[in-house]
Amino acid sequence: GAVVSQHPSRVICKSGTSVKIECRSLDFQATTMFWYRQFPKKSLMLMATSNEGSKATYEQGVEKDKFLINHASLTLSTLTVTSAHPEDSSFYICSASLAEPYEQYFGPGTRLTVT
Amino acid sequence: AQSVTQLGSHVSVSEGALVLLRCNYSSSVPPYLFWYVQYPNQGLQLLLKYTSAATLVKGINGFEAEFKKSETSFHLTKPSAHMSDAAEYFCAVIDYNNNDMRFGAGTRLTVKP
Repeated sequence: GAVVSQHPSRVICKSGTSVKIECRSLDFQATTMFWYRQFPKKSLMLMATSNEGSKATYEQGVEKDKFLINHASLTLSTLTVTSAHPEDSSFYICSASLAEPYEQYFGPGTRLTVT
Repeated sequence: AQSVTQLGSHVSVSEGALVLLRCNYSSSVPPYLFWYVQYPNQGLQLLLKYTSAATLVKGINGFEAEFKKSETSFHLTKPSAHMSDAAEYFCAVIDYNNNDMRFGAGTRLTVKP
C-alpha cells in the first residue's frame, strides 16, 4: 500500500518551454502533497507543500510564478515548470502524506533536463 | 525548528561488516524520526520510523535504529553489510511547527567486496 507515482520519469525540454510533472497517490487519499528538488549528490530541498483545493505554500526562495503547483484532488498534484531554463534541470521528487504521524510516501522522481 | 544532522557524508564498509550511520536530532520534545534509502535515480524508500513507541525500531532489509533521548540520536545500524546496501541514506524529522519533513544532508554508503 501507499504507492505514489510520478509521470514522466524523465523529460527533456528546450529552454523557454513549460513542463508539467504529475504526482499521484495510487491507493490512498493524501491529505498533503509535497514537492522536492534534489541536486546531484545533495539532499532533498522542499519546494512547496500543497493541500487539495487550496493554494500551495512555497518555501522561501522558491518562485511560485515559475513553479506552479496545482492540487486538484486528494490523489493528484501537478508541478509545472514555466519558461524552463537550463538551471532548472534537476531531479524533482513528490511525496504524499496521510494524517499523523505525517509519514511521507515518495514518488520515484522525475529527471528534468532543459537544453 | 526541528532538524537532523548526519555525521559523515560518506561511509565505506566491507561486505559482512557492521553498518553504522549516524543521525542526531535537535528537538526539545520527542520527535518523529525516519530513515530513508535512495538508490540512484530513484525516489526515497522508507527503512524505518520512530513515532514515540519502542525505542529500538526494526526496519526492512535487516536495518534497525535506536532512539536515544539522552544522546538526541537515532543511529541506523545493520549487523552485516551486503553489496546491495550501497546507496544514499537520509535521516529525517517531522517539524512540529508545520508538519514538514526536514532531511539530513545524507550519507553515501559504499560496500566493498
